[in-house]
Amino acid sequence: AQSVTQLGSHVSVSEGALVLLRCNYSSSVPPYLFWYVQYPNQGLQLLLKYTTGATLVKGINGFEAEFKKSETSFHLTKPSAHMSDAAEYFCAVSLFSGGYNKLIFGAGTRLAVHP
Amino acid sequence: GAGVSQSPRYKVAKRGQDVALRCDPISGHVSLFWYQQALGQGPEFLTYFQNEAQLDKSGLPSDRFFAERPEGSVSTLKIQRTQQEDSAVYLCASSFRGRNTGELFFGEGSRLTVL
Repeated sequence: AQSVTQLGSHVSVSEGALVLLRCNYSSSVPPYLFWYVQYPNQGLQLLLKYTTGATLVKGINGFEAEFKKSETSFHLTKPSAHMSDAAEYFCAVSLFSGGYNKLIFGAGTRLAVHP
Repeated sequence: GAGVSQSPRYKVAKRGQDVALRCDPISGHVSLFWYQQALGQGPEFLTYFQNEAQLDKSGLPSDRFFAERPEGSVSTLKIQRTQQEDSAVYLCASSFRGRNTGELFFGEGSRLTVL
């Protein structure tokens, strides 16, 4: 069965520092992988996704993630954090069953950015 | 509107009351999902519609939960005899196709508080 583990429920970085949010997945088939961001009192917004092809995926707001099959990981990174990056980040894997895909989410990582 | 619209945004119910949460998906989107997001947790799948057909309701936590999408557009999630453990944000999401990569467009959610 597909599942997602996000290491670290809270991550705090300084403005301008590297952001690294960890995600490991479990899947019996080649996965589709996603990162979503949730700002306070808002819905989830897609940051980036991996389906097939290039394993380094670039998303919005300067974020990127690398699919590493050997490590079953899909960590999210950003070279330089901005204050506006403070939010909750969710990693998700797509489960295909019954003719459609549904997303299975991790528990989330709350990113704090301090001056 | 251009996005997924949910109402009400906030709902306070006394234990035992029935509630109805509405979702207006993006026009033309075939697939519609409901997720439950408890405080500090990732979204958990509840149910899935493809047009008016409810293809998967495996995530509904009890028979007090009921969802419908009678004309294949607007959907309603109904919770009967609410309990305190039903307190959560209920997220609706839609996508254009059923068999897709899993990318979903989310509404801002309906926050239910049961007293």
